[in-house]
Amino acid sequence: KNQVEQSPQSLIILEGKNCTLQCNYTVSPFSNLRWYKQDTGRGPVSLTIMTFSENTKSNGRYTATLDADTKQSSLHITASQLSDSASYICVVSPYNTDKLIFGTGTRLQVFP
Amino acid sequence: GAGVSQSPSNKVTEKGKDVELRCDPISGHTALYWYRQSLGQGLEFLIYFQGNSAPDKSGLPSDRFSAERTGGSVSTLTIQRTQQEDSAVYLCASSLELAGGGGSYEQYFGPGTRLTVT
Repeated sequence: KNQVEQSPQSLIILEGKNCTLQCNYTVSPFSNLRWYKQDTGRGPVSLTIMTFSENTKSNGRYTATLDADTKQSSLHITASQLSDSASYICVVSPYNTDKLIFGTGTRLQVFP
Repeated sequence: GAGVSQSPSNKVTEKGKDVELRCDPISGHTALYWYRQSLGQGLEFLIYFQGNSAPDKSGLPSDRFSAERTGGSVSTLTIQRTQQEDSAVYLCASSLELAGGGGSYEQYFGPGTRLTVT
């Protein structure tokens, strides 16, 4: 079982709509949780970084939430744009190691 | 300033050959990470450097894989006697300080090297 699981695996939405991506993790304790956006053929780009004590972090139309009690995080995308089409990756940093643990990502496609 | 660069962008090699992948981190970044991304899979941690030292090599898939970093800057990932299962995109990332553990520094990724072993 992966330590960081994401859902859904893929998602199709229409331009202008909102969507929410989920991340469940078992890593504990952890120091921070990150969300990355990865366009096809490119390296991931950081969207948000939350420490274990933070509940929410926004970056433009992207808002990440964190519930450390239930070990869940979500990434909410508001008013989606065609350029939001990408894979979104949840990453957890265990407290006692510098290895980052990556989820397998959610593939989002935004259609006009 | 320049971001993380990797070379080559694409590499096709025959099974059994050795390959060397290069990563140029952002100037001044002390931490450097190597990851592997197989088709349809998540990123797999391989190794990280703090300065020139690699405290944790347990992510390297086999002893055919090795990495070094010199001068606190450029890093090379070497795969000896390549196998078809080594085919993947190899990504390098750097951060000002360590991005994991007690730190939360931002990681900046390079574009990756796509390795195909035939």
